[in-house]
Amino acid sequence: QITLKESGPTLVKPTQTLTLTCTFSGFSLSTTGVGVGWIRQPPGKALEWLALIYWNDDKRYSPSLKSRLTITKDTSKKQVVLTMTNMDPVDTATYYCAHSTVYSSSWFRFDYWGQGTLVTVSS
Amino acid sequence: QSVLTQPPSVSAAPGQKVTISCSGSRSNIGNNYVSWYQQLPGTAPKLLIYDNNKRPSGIPDRFSGSKSGTSATLGITGLQTGDEADYYCATWDSSLSAYVFGTGTKVTVL
Repeated sequence: QITLKESGPTLVKPTQTLTLTCTFSGFSLSTTGVGVGWIRQPPGKALEWLALIYWNDDKRYSPSLKSRLTITKDTSKKQVVLTMTNMDPVDTATYYCAHSTVYSSSWFRFDYWGQGTLVTVSS
Repeated sequence: QSVLTQPPSVSAAPGQKVTISCSGSRSNIGNNYVSWYQQLPGTAPKLLIYDNNKRPSGIPDRFSGSKSGTSATLGITGLQTGDEADYYCATWDSSLSAYVFGTGTKVTVL
């Protein structure tokens, strides 16, 4: 059974750096064709893809946020960490991590999702 | 604003059929596989359709996906109250080098 759970601060101040951890079970991030991604959703708005890390440590980032994002993995701890710098109130959203089945850099899907964690950016 | 356009809402009576369109371009839907996600109120999204028309295990065949050119369509037959949710299409955009989600469609069962 594949499960994922996001953890991190619920409130951050503007200009601070957000660090979110995705702890997963039921799969290995060293298995070929497996990835973990991050997706966010501002309140009442649509989903937005942020980043994806592959089993081979390759990484993809949303071009619009690339300068602010870093995704890393710790295979032994079964964790993926996303950091986002220079947080702004517009970054207030529910942040999800998700297991991805990857066939290529442009062919993948998010087939299992965590419950999400709401992050509010406010002073 | 997203490069994938969906109608904001669709509705139908229980037992009826609805279709949700997802309009894109050659750089996204036209040359890449489409997935559909269902988000029930207050919950995380769930994969409904992948590779244009495949259903993950456990997804009933009331849900179907298709793609033609630069558009994709999600169909739901035998509509149930439990199908009330937001639905998103998604795919890779080769020009943007980004995974893009559609604008989302709210399905209401009358």
